[in-house]
Amino acid sequence: DVKVTQSSRYLVKRTGEKVFLECVQDMDHENMFWYRQDPGLGLRLIYFSYDVKMKEKGDIPEGYSVSREKKERFSLILESASTNQTSMYLCASSLQGAWPNYGYTFGSGTRLTVV
Amino acid sequence: DAKTTQPNSMESNEEEPVHLPCNHSTISGTDYIHWYRQLPSQGPEYVIHGLTSNVNNRMASLAIAEDRKSSTLILHRATLRDAAVYYCIPIFYNQGGKLIFGQGTELSVKP
Repeated sequence: DVKVTQSSRYLVKRTGEKVFLECVQDMDHENMFWYRQDPGLGLRLIYFSYDVKMKEKGDIPEGYSVSREKKERFSLILESASTNQTSMYLCASSLQGAWPNYGYTFGSGTRLTVV
Repeated sequence: DAKTTQPNSMESNEEEPVHLPCNHSTISGTDYIHWYRQLPSQGPEYVIHGLTSNVNNRMASLAIAEDRKSSTLILHRATLRDAAVYYCIPIFYNQGGKLIFGQGTELSVKP
């Protein structure tokens, strides 16, 4: 089974801190995605990447950046955390060659609280 | 962006079949239809996908209307573990592989 592993299940950070959320997948997928999920707003796409060193903005990229130095790892960076970035963050991956005739795999999520 | 329409919530009894409908009237010929579900406190989980023909896998069946403007996810015998939010997501070819989530259908299963 494809595994998408997010480094932390729960995280508490202070306002103004630089925060790194890590995501690793073990099936050589080219596509990786970061979402955030908030009550009443659903899942919203922050950033995605089709390959190493490539990145594309999603629907809500403001306040975030990403890094993809290796194929299996996609990092979401909050440059200066703010309380409105308190949320559940979800990482996903997908195989590009078979897209869209292939399912996406999600991690279990990181619940980030910014205080 | 195209729109999908799903009921906000549905109820089912355990051991009975469940039919979860989805309207995606602006879908085009090359757009696949994916279904995901999200159990409480977990990330979304892939359920099934299809293009034109009906599809079956170990989790569910997907019935796609002939005009492809709607589809129905079928859980043949609901269990308590199937209680989740179910998302119907057309994958639009011109959107480069992004999954765009709507509000989904919250399915509750009664013992």
